[in-house]
Amino acid sequence: QVQLQQSGPGLVKPSQTLSLTCAISGDSVSSNRATWNWIRQSPSRGLEWLGRTYYRSKWYHDYAVSLKSRISITPDTSKNQFSLQLKDVTPDDTAVYFCARDSSGWNFDYWGQGTLVTVSS
Amino acid sequence: DIQMTQSPSSVSASVGDRVTITCRASQGISNWLAWYQQKPGKAPKVLIYAASNLQSGVPSRFSGSGSGTDFTLTISSLQPEDFATYYCQQANSFPLTFGGGTKVEIK
Repeated sequence: QVQLQQSGPGLVKPSQTLSLTCAISGDSVSSNRATWNWIRQSPSRGLEWLGRTYYRSKWYHDYAVSLKSRISITPDTSKNQFSLQLKDVTPDDTAVYFCARDSSGWNFDYWGQGTLVTVSS
Repeated sequence: DIQMTQSPSSVSASVGDRVTITCRASQGISNWLAWYQQKPGKAPKVLIYAASNLQSGVPSRFSGSGSGTDFTLTISSLQPEDFATYYCQQANSFPLTFGGGTKVEIK
């Protein structure tokens, strides 16, 4: 059974960097058939896909264009996890952040528990 | 970006009712569509993928249909555990996008 366990701070100051980690069990971040995604949810934006990392003989990354200058998603094969970094945050980045696996190209079949991140001084 | 528009935004229904939720894509997405159910404080759970395929373990009272731009999620006989918010999501092109949600409430 695949499980995704999120960790990271729930409060970040404006202009600082939001950092979250998603630890994977039951699958591998280096899987050749899965992608590893970050999605956030807020009342103002709804569900918003942020980006993904995946391995197909080498590492690939895709990001939402609106965040491309601020976002980074990195795998850590030694710990079987992947991380989200979002730089220069503002209160508009306040949301529940989820990590999720896509193993088919069709949908997100496993999700982390969600982390409420509040951007406030 | 492909915009996903759901209707209605909320629906009140009783146990045993048939409920239909629609999702319209701003451009054709073939059958690259999934439906999710989300309960308060929880992550979304996939119900349907490829527009009409039931995810393993999901009750058969849930069904999906459609292709191109117009899609439907139907709950044939609403059960108490089905009161939740439902979202569609397109997987045709990046960025992947979600509908705004439909809240199914108790009448």
